[in-house]
Amino acid sequence: DVKVTQSSRYLVKRTGEKVFLECVQDMDHENMFWYRQDPGLGLRLIYFSYDVKMKEKGDIPEGYSVSREKKERFSLILESASTNQTSMYLCASSRRQGRGEAFFGQGTRLTVV
Amino acid sequence: QQQVKQSPQSLIVQKGGISIINCAYENTAFDYFPWYQQFPGKGPALLIAIRPDVSEKKEGRFTISFNKSAKQFSLHIMDSQPGDSATYFCAASLSQGNLIFGKGTKLSVKP
Repeated sequence: DVKVTQSSRYLVKRTGEKVFLECVQDMDHENMFWYRQDPGLGLRLIYFSYDVKMKEKGDIPEGYSVSREKKERFSLILESASTNQTSMYLCASSRRQGRGEAFFGQGTRLTVV
Repeated sequence: QQQVKQSPQSLIVQKGGISIINCAYENTAFDYFPWYQQFPGKGPALLIAIRPDVSEKKEGRFTISFNKSAKQFSLHIMDSQPGDSATYFCAASLSQGNLIFGKGTKLSVKP
């Protein structure tokens, strides 16, 4: 069974902390994505990566960075967490070509206090 | 140009009825239009998808209608069931696979 695994389901962090959200996929997909989901705003793309060590900004990259050192792993970093980054974070992966299906992880509910 | 506009924001349908969710886009470079279904506590999962060279695609009770000239597409759920109650997202993709999502429709099917 194909899988995208996010390291935590729930996280509570303090304002100003550096936060790491980890995502691993076992499908050998080239593309990996980080989305943020908020009520009424849908899924908004933060960053995506087409290959190892490669990254592209999405619609809302401010306050975030990413790292992709290995093909199967894509990390989202909140450099200095703020309360407005309290949200559901979703990781996804897909094949590079063929505009195929994106597979999503279960999500990480992050609360910044 | 990169937006996908989805309506309605919420929808209540009686069991056995037809649920219809609409989406519109501007960027004619989009070449893949999937619909995702999300249950509470889960990540979205692909439900059905269509390419712009086809006007309709049906899978079971789920049908996508696609109008290329109007830059609109819609999801129809026939014989809606309580188990269909979920949030539905339309999306559009460019060739490199980057999905742009609508804001979602929360569907409630009443028994």
